[in-house]
Amino acid sequence: GESVGLHLPTLSVQEGDNSIINCAYSNSASDYFIWYKQESGKGPQFIIDIRSNMDKRQGQRVTVLLNKTVKHLSLQIAATQPGDSAVYFCAETGGQGTALIFGKGTTLSVSS
Amino acid sequence: NAGVTQTPKFRVLKTGQSMTLLCAQDMNHEYMYWYRQDPGMGLRLIHYSVGEGTTAKGEVPDGYNVSRLKKQNFLLGLESAAPSQTSVYFCASSWRYRETQYFGPGTRLLVL
Repeated sequence: GESVGLHLPTLSVQEGDNSIINCAYSNSASDYFIWYKQESGKGPQFIIDIRSNMDKRQGQRVTVLLNKTVKHLSLQIAATQPGDSAVYFCAETGGQGTALIFGKGTTLSVSS
Repeated sequence: NAGVTQTPKFRVLKTGQSMTLLCAQDMNHEYMYWYRQDPGMGLRLIHYSVGEGTTAKGEVPDGYNVSRLKKQNFLLGLESAAPSQTSVYFCASSWRYRETQYFGPGTRLLVL
């Protein structure tokens, strides 16, 4: 079936390090991908998105990489800060007619 | 521009009681969604709406009803609450189906 998963449920980094959060998707028909950040007690917040006709997209301190060959998505956060501590999850569009499919998330902990 | 707002923020119900969760968005989005989020389960779609006056079932619709009488509002109703409905409920909206969804802050519901 369709599913979006993340390779690691938790990731711990030091302040200033670069973080890489991974996501594997199973549906080759997915054509749009989104990364969300969810802080404790809050709703998911849009970070960055990418369409399947691209393999890289950059935002402020964040970069999303898409590898359609192996169906892999990653979120890179440069110079990670304590305020980046949150749960990060990816979403994909899945097949035609389906709603967004959300992964279960990776908890990023940043220590100073 | 408040984005997506939800009321109430927190509620305790007894088994069998009813309640309505209200979601409002000021972005003129056509699509609105209700999700529940449980530990280890990720976001699961309950119901969604593709426009004023239209609703459709998502992944876990049983025990819930919805209404979209106005474009900016999407109501989620629990007619007879059960402990299994203890969860955090998120509302979201988007311009188009399968595009970026913007989330509200959530409603924490405890059913005793």
